[in-house]
Amino acid sequence: IAGITQAPTSQILAAGRRMTLRCTQDMRHNAMYWYRQDLGLGLRLIHYSNTAGTTGKGEVPDGYSVSRANTDDFPLTLASAVPSQTSVYFCASSDTYSGANVLTFGAGSRLTVL
Amino acid sequence: GQNIDQPTEMTATEGAIVQINCTYQTSGFNGLFWYQQHAGEAPTFLSYNVLDGLEEKGRFSSFLSRSKGYSYLLLKELQMKDSASYLCAARDSNYQLIWGAGTKLIIKP
Repeated sequence: IAGITQAPTSQILAAGRRMTLRCTQDMRHNAMYWYRQDLGLGLRLIHYSNTAGTTGKGEVPDGYSVSRANTDDFPLTLASAVPSQTSVYFCASSDTYSGANVLTFGAGSRLTVL
Repeated sequence: GQNIDQPTEMTATEGAIVQINCTYQTSGFNGLFWYQQHAGEAPTFLSYNVLDGLEEKGRFSSFLSRSKGYSYLLLKELQMKDSASYLCAARDSNYQLIWGAGTKLIIKP
């Protein structure tokens, strides 16, 4: 089934640990995004990539890094997790970043940092 | 600053009609999106407006007024499965989406 796969589904992590959230899409979409969703707030963009080999910073990039070595994969790394990074993380993709670029979202990764 | 405002929660009755409003302020404008998100699930696309007017898609319609920075999502013949959060998002001049916090819609029998 075409779509986006995120892993892990949920994770409890000690503060200070390094963590990578994985995201893979099989739709050959050019653009990919990482969002975090917190109660009472809208989705906030962490990092994005308009095409393989390029990345950009979103609204809340501090403490996170990404890479886009190929079209399909877009991992998000927390170098040293802090409790404020407790959130639900959604990876998304779209065929393009302009026009009616409909986002397809993964199922989300729920991360708890203690 | 950039901002999206939508009501936090609304309640409606099965079979009725409900209108969810959204106002936006963005640096430039390149379209308005509505997404549906059931509890514990990922958002899914509902509608896209870039020109003024009404876009109809089955039981769901979306309206845009660019001069007023205003949009609404109209849901007709409400069903219990329509209980969800509805997310409004405006795209700015840099083609980045600015998201509202979502409107939780509760449908009562």
